[in-house]
Amino acid sequence: KAGVTQTPRYLIKTRGQQVTLSCSPISGHRSVSWYQQTPGQGLQFLFEYFSETQRNKGNFPGRFSGRQFSNSRSEMNVSTLELGDSALYLCASSPGGGALSYNEQFFGPGTRLTVL
Amino acid sequence: GQQVMQIPQYQHVQEGEDFTTYCNSSTTLSNIQWYKQRPGGHPVFLIQLVKSGEVKKQKRLTFQFGEAKKNSSLHITATQTTDVGTYFCAGSGLTGGGNKLTFGTGTQLKVEL
Repeated sequence: KAGVTQTPRYLIKTRGQQVTLSCSPISGHRSVSWYQQTPGQGLQFLFEYFSETQRNKGNFPGRFSGRQFSNSRSEMNVSTLELGDSALYLCASSPGGGALSYNEQFFGPGTRLTVL
Repeated sequence: GQQVMQIPQYQHVQEGEDFTTYCNSSTTLSNIQWYKQRPGGHPVFLIQLVKSGEVKKQKRLTFQFGEAKKNSSLHITATQTTDVGTYFCAGSGLTGGGNKLTFGTGTQLKVEL
């Protein structure tokens, strides 16, 4: 099976712009989660989508949003970029299962976003 | 909110020495997972612990989940250069469902020959 893929791998934007990142999960996986990784804050949970619905949400401002399509592919969008948004954005997929299931996360290679 | 701390932040060992990283949560966890991230790479799942007091082994790696389900540890026996990387614990809270993981701060392991 192919792993989790993320596009683009690298991105440079300027403050105030918006950006859309894409994630294709492992075939058959219905849950997609997004994480932000920075040297200062570590790995922080952004949100999780399951069957096109946001199932969990982290503590990020509304500038960060996401969605999931019927084929489980997911996108996340960051509007009005700030310098502090520079980070590695990781997508992770898992089978999903029922509401109380906890599954191992299969991470993609990430998108390195630099905001100038 | 839930916080997960790990100690130490860094560990530098000679090949063959043992290594342990500790993970402590501010709240009781439903389960805990461990991940390894190699330099320049992405986190890779190692194991999941669910039961209070659970101990699991994977070759030279031993994972423990505390009785109160608030702490966990990863112990590597006789480290090798292939063990280099950052080890993260990640916990799920008792409420809610699905995959909302709070990652620990990570322990960066360096192994010297």
